[in-house]
Amino acid sequence: GAVVSQHPSRVICKSGTSVKIECRSLDFQATTMFWYRQFPKQSLMLMATSNEGSKATYEQGVEKDKFLINHASLTLSTLTVTSAHPEDSSFYICSARDSRGGKETQYFGPGTRLLVL
Amino acid sequence: QKEVEQDPGPLSVPEGAIVSLNCTYSNSAFQYFMWYRQYSRKGPELLMYTYSSGNKEDGRFTAQVDKSSKYISLFIRDSQPSDSATYLCAVTGYSTLTFGKGTMLLVSP
Repeated sequence: GAVVSQHPSRVICKSGTSVKIECRSLDFQATTMFWYRQFPKQSLMLMATSNEGSKATYEQGVEKDKFLINHASLTLSTLTVTSAHPEDSSFYICSARDSRGGKETQYFGPGTRLLVL
Repeated sequence: QKEVEQDPGPLSVPEGAIVSLNCTYSNSAFQYFMWYRQYSRKGPELLMYTYSSGNKEDGRFTAQVDKSSKYISLFIRDSQPSDSATYLCAVTGYSTLTFGKGTMLLVSP
């Protein structure tokens, strides 16, 4: 398999502040990473596709000005939740696309739990 | 019709039972098939990866893909309480994964 890390694992912040979440592929280079959001007892919801060196592609209904994504290197993508509000509280998970050797799959990070007070 | 259908469960079995988890999909262009296991409050962990039709075995886990009927399965032999988790099937043609909603499995000692 492959290892994807996320930092922080948990964050509590006040309403109106911004929070940055980092996603790193530790043992392979990922030109494409993905950001998901998951509410309790629900499936993963894709928020955006992050491509190294270019703008992210957002899914319908996801505000690109609120969820800023930067993929500056082949091993790091960041998601910044700007002016967070309580409704942004959720479990955010990143994944890195692995297409080495003709494979086509994704490895997920451990997730970041965000609580906005 | 949803792209990937998966029974949410919960599926409760006694320890040692054989578990069968299934998904159906609608798009014949999907070529890559995966099963992920997700424990509560954790990110999904890739369990099985299969390309095209056929079977793949890894320890107690067997993944099966039938492209003609657009049906994928995961079998767990000798199930253990530690297998209790949500199992997500995922399919893709290229890049973006399409997930099933996940089946919650509960294995009782």
